[in-house]
Amino acid sequence: DAGVTQSPTHLIKTRGQQVTLRCSPKSGHDTVSWYQQALGQGPQFIFQYYEEEERQRGNFPDRFSGHQFPNYSSELNVNALLLGDSALYLCASSDDAGGDTDTQYFGPGTRLTVL
Amino acid sequence: AQSVTQPDIHITVSEGASLELRCNYSYGATPYLFWYVQSPGQGLQLLLKYFSGDTLVQGIKGFEAEFKRSQSSFNLRKPSVHWSDAAEYFCAVLPFSGGYNKLIFGAGTRLAVHP
Repeated sequence: DAGVTQSPTHLIKTRGQQVTLRCSPKSGHDTVSWYQQALGQGPQFIFQYYEEEERQRGNFPDRFSGHQFPNYSSELNVNALLLGDSALYLCASSDDAGGDTDTQYFGPGTRLTVL
Repeated sequence: AQSVTQPDIHITVSEGASLELRCNYSYGATPYLFWYVQSPGQGLQLLLKYFSGDTLVQGIKGFEAEFKRSQSSFNLRKPSVHWSDAAEYFCAVLPFSGGYNKLIFGAGTRLAVHP
């Protein structure tokens, strides 16, 4: 049973650039959430996608956007990168339709460094 | 606002000793409660969760946690720590159920294990 996968593992960008991170949910899961974990902190909720729509959003600027595809995989896009965007970006999936909707399973994360 | 407090930033125990990691939450109703573990450079692994029922819940790797409503606490315990338990531990709260699940995390407790 494949767990949550994310790509790439690491990424280095410069200020002002744009980045796209990718996530494939756990098999059978239909909901994807994204979190940002800055160094030494707990993860912070960015947004959640279900049925290809963003249905909940945390306190992040519009520079952060996402997409969910028909196969439930998801992308996180960040525009106009700032140094403060350097963090571990975690994807989590859950199963809305199957009864375990409240348990989120996390991927290994993408480490983004902005120079 | 909902919040999660992990009072201990860093804890060191000897291998074989018992462990208790503290977690307090601030929320009007009883939320769903989780403990996750994160090894260096890795994503989050679910240790255990509490939704309702028996207030003592068992998890993986020999961990257990006890929900105490009167203290708004959900402390994680292990009777005998192994060197491989060295990691960062996060307590999380899910204020809503049935979808729209935005996890709120504490800042984490880093556990070091002495041989």
